[in-house]
Amino acid sequence: AQSVTQLGSHVSVSEGALVLLRCNYSSSVPPYLFWYVQYPNQGLQLLLKYTSAATLVKGINGFEAEFKKSETSFHLTKPSAHMSDAAEYFCAAAGGATNKLIFGTGTLLAVQP
Amino acid sequence: EAGVAQSPRYKIIEKRQSVAFWCNPISGHATLYWYQQILGQGPKLLIQFQNNGVVDDSQLPKDRFSAERLKGVDSTLKIQPAKLEDSAVYLCASSLDKGFTDTQYFGPGTRLTVL
Repeated sequence: AQSVTQLGSHVSVSEGALVLLRCNYSSSVPPYLFWYVQYPNQGLQLLLKYTSAATLVKGINGFEAEFKKSETSFHLTKPSAHMSDAAEYFCAAAGGATNKLIFGTGTLLAVQP
Repeated sequence: EAGVAQSPRYKIIEKRQSVAFWCNPISGHATLYWYQQILGQGPKLLIQFQNNGVVDDSQLPKDRFSAERLKGVDSTLKIQPAKLEDSAVYLCASSLDKGFTDTQYFGPGTRLTVL
C-alpha cells in the first residue's frame, strides 16, 4: 500500500538558514507528490506538486522540491528561512494503487530569530 | 474568489451525542472531500463526492458517520453517536475535477472535542 514517511516531526532552523524537510514515499509506481503547508487555525494550502514532468519543482514562497526516483524521496527545501515560514508541512502522494491523497504525519517547522 | 467555508469552527460534545458539520466548497468545484485529521497525524480521506455522487467512502465508518451533498454543492458530515476517538479536526476540501492531480483547496476545519 502507498505510504508517506516524513522524517522529523519537529524541525527548528534559524532565520536565514536553509530549510530541509524530508519526505519518502513507498510505491512500485512513481506517484504524484505534493507538499502542503498548514498555518495555525487554517486549512492546508498547496505549496507545490510533482506530476511526472520536471523533477525539480518550484512552488510558492520560495520553496522547491526535487523528485528522486532512486531514493524514493521528495524533500522540500528553501535556501533562506523567514519567520513567516513557521508552520506545519505535510507531504502527500497519490497514484499507483490508490487514487486518493495519502498524507504523511507532518513536520512542524520552527524558525528562530 | 471565496475559499472553502466550514462551520462551526469548534464543537465540544459528550460521547454518544450527535454532531453535524457543514461545508460550502468553492463555486464551480465539482469534487468535494471530507478528511479527518487526528492530532499528530496527517489528514485521512473519509469520503469523496463528485457532484452529488459518492466516488470513494471506503474509509468512512458507516456505522456512525454519514455524509451527503444534496444538489452537488454544500455538504454535511454527521456523526451519530460520537465516540472519544472521534476527537479530531474535520477538514473539507474541494477541487475542479476528481483527478488526484487537481489542486485541492482546503477549508479551515472544524475542531471536534468529544468528552
